[in-house]
Amino acid sequence: EAQVTQNPRYLITVTGKKLTVTCSQNMNHEYMSWYRQDPGLGLRQIYYSMNVEVTDKGDVPEGYKVSRKEKRNFPLILESPSPNQTSLYFCASRNRVDTQYFGPGTRLTVL
Amino acid sequence: TQLLEQSPQFLSIQEGENLTVYCNSSSVFSSLQWYRQEPGEGPVLLVTVVTGGEVKKLKRLTFQFGDARKDSSLHITAAQPGDTGLYLCAGARGFGNEKLTFGTGTRLTIIP
Repeated sequence: EAQVTQNPRYLITVTGKKLTVTCSQNMNHEYMSWYRQDPGLGLRQIYYSMNVEVTDKGDVPEGYKVSRKEKRNFPLILESPSPNQTSLYFCASRNRVDTQYFGPGTRLTVL
Repeated sequence: TQLLEQSPQFLSIQEGENLTVYCNSSSVFSSLQWYRQEPGEGPVLLVTVVTGGEVKKLKRLTFQFGDARKDSSLHITAAQPGDTGLYLCAGARGFGNEKLTFGTGTRLTIIP
């Protein structure tokens, strides 16, 4: 089954404690992205990747890092989380013809 | 950040009625996508429109891309309770359409 998986699905942490949200896709897609979704602000792109070792900033990259060492994985790293990073995070992947698939989401709370 | 404004933000109508959701921007996009999102899930792509003036139909849903590729609309005919959800438009930019800007969404409720 074609899918995008994210882990963990739910996470409560404290300010400053480094965390990683994993994302994996089994569709051999080149393009992958991370978004955050906040009430009243919609989905905003954090980072995207066009291929292995090719990443670039989206609209809200501050406080986040990503890496793309393998085609199937695109982890999101928060080196020092802060409460304003409390949000619902989505990973997505797509092929060249714009069929984008989203993961199930990770709800992060930073206390 | 280039903004995509969706209207209305909330819409609640009776089953069987027709409705239109609008997605507007002052910027030009290379393509525009419409998604539907259910609670607790990620958005699911409904359609991508690419050419100015393009119209695509998906059963009772009709999508149109504006001639200038700055706006789009989603029209639903004879709405059904299964159409309930959050509808999102997203404009694509960049060489490979890798940069997506989402609208804030329209939360649609169809009352049986």
